[in-house]
Amino acid sequence: DTEVTQTPKHLVMGMTNKKSLKCEQHMGHRAMYWYKQKAKKPPELMFVYSYEKLSINESVPSRFSPECPNSSLLNLHLHALQPEDSALYLCASSHRTGRNTEAFFGQGTRLTVV
Amino acid sequence: AQSVTQLDSHVSVSEGTPVLLRCNYSSSYSPSLFWYVQHPNKGLQLLLKYTSAATLVKGINGFEAEFKKSETSFHLTKPSAHMSDAAEYFCVVSGWSGGSNYKLTFGKGTLLTVNP
Repeated sequence: DTEVTQTPKHLVMGMTNKKSLKCEQHMGHRAMYWYKQKAKKPPELMFVYSYEKLSINESVPSRFSPECPNSSLLNLHLHALQPEDSALYLCASSHRTGRNTEAFFGQGTRLTVV
Repeated sequence: AQSVTQLDSHVSVSEGTPVLLRCNYSSSYSPSLFWYVQHPNKGLQLLLKYTSAATLVKGINGFEAEFKKSETSFHLTKPSAHMSDAAEYFCVVSGWSGGSNYKLTFGKGTLLTVNP
């Protein structure tokens, strides 16, 4: 079972709302990732969790707040977003963070900020 | 630092003809390279990966790629395109980002269209 599940699939939120994106994997992977993808662009790394600890933060604004409650779950809390934050948010997981390690991606959450 | 350059932003082929998607890489050490495919409004799916074993790598759906160190290339090929191959393709390199961390660096993508 090579599946990363993201919920919701679509989300529309106002600039004053607070919402959360959820990601779950049951492959026993110990690294999980959040990426942001704008239309017709490659994914951009936001955060990396390794063994439930934040290991990479690519200077993402504080209105994005990641949380890793356990090794299977990764959340992204959203608050006071801007319209330019509208994008496809992809979660991924890998066995570990290593040079030869491929990542498995979820289907993404399509976020629209109005 | 590591980087990849996808030489074509858009490739158009006819169904049943060969596919060639070009990728060049830059790395200060022996790289790990991947090709991912993304269908519209979907996540990314791994097609194949190179990790310093065989230089010719076979992937899913009939795709393969050849690692050529002398040319710093990792081009993706398929002998015969199918309509379902129409998608965005990303060449990716894995690179060290400090401590024990590695991260994936994506090329800008190549959009493959397949004409009937």
